[in-house]
Amino acid sequence: DTEVTQTPKHLVMGMTNKKSLKCEQHMGHRAMYWYKQKAKKPPELMFVYSYEKLSINESVPSRFSPECPNSSLLNLHLHALQPEDSALYLCASSQPLPGQREAFFGQGTRLTVV
Amino acid sequence: RKEVEQDPGPFNVPEGATVAFNCTYSNSASQSFFWYRQDCRKEPKLLMSVYSSGNEDGRFTAQLNRASQYISLLIRDSKLSDSATYLCVVNKRGSGNTGKLIFGQGTTLQVKP
Repeated sequence: DTEVTQTPKHLVMGMTNKKSLKCEQHMGHRAMYWYKQKAKKPPELMFVYSYEKLSINESVPSRFSPECPNSSLLNLHLHALQPEDSALYLCASSQPLPGQREAFFGQGTRLTVV
Repeated sequence: RKEVEQDPGPFNVPEGATVAFNCTYSNSASQSFFWYRQDCRKEPKLLMSVYSSGNEDGRFTAQLNRASQYISLLIRDSKLSDSATYLCVVNKRGSGNTGKLIFGQGTTLQVKP
């Protein structure tokens, strides 16, 4: 089973709302990632969790707050977003380095901020 | 300079053609290498890992040259269903033992009947 499940698939939120994106994997992976992808651009790394600890934050604004409650779950809490934050948010998981570590992506949450 | 560079294309080829994509990476700390495929408005899907010895999966062949920091993907006998964006991905060691997947900008392939 190489599945990463993200919910919701689509989300429309106002600039004053608080919402959360959820990601789940049952592959026993111990590294989980959040990526942001704008149209016609490659995915850009936001956060990496390794063994449930935040290990990389790519200078993401504090209005995005990640959380890893356990080894299978990854959340992204959203608050006071801007219209330019509208994008496809992708979750991925893999085993941590070293070695050839393929990552598997969820279907993404398509976020629109109005 | 981008860490992972690809020719964005588009590559427009007829069915049955052979097409090659190239990718260069700038960081010698890069640990592992992949090609992903992404269809319009879908998530990236792993096409194949890339090994120094070269590897083949059906019509697809990937090569890695660590000395030149160069990765390639060859698609033989192109099918209409191969039309997609192909992303070159490098897993680079970040802080601690954590990997960072760095994406090239992607190469668009359009296979025409």
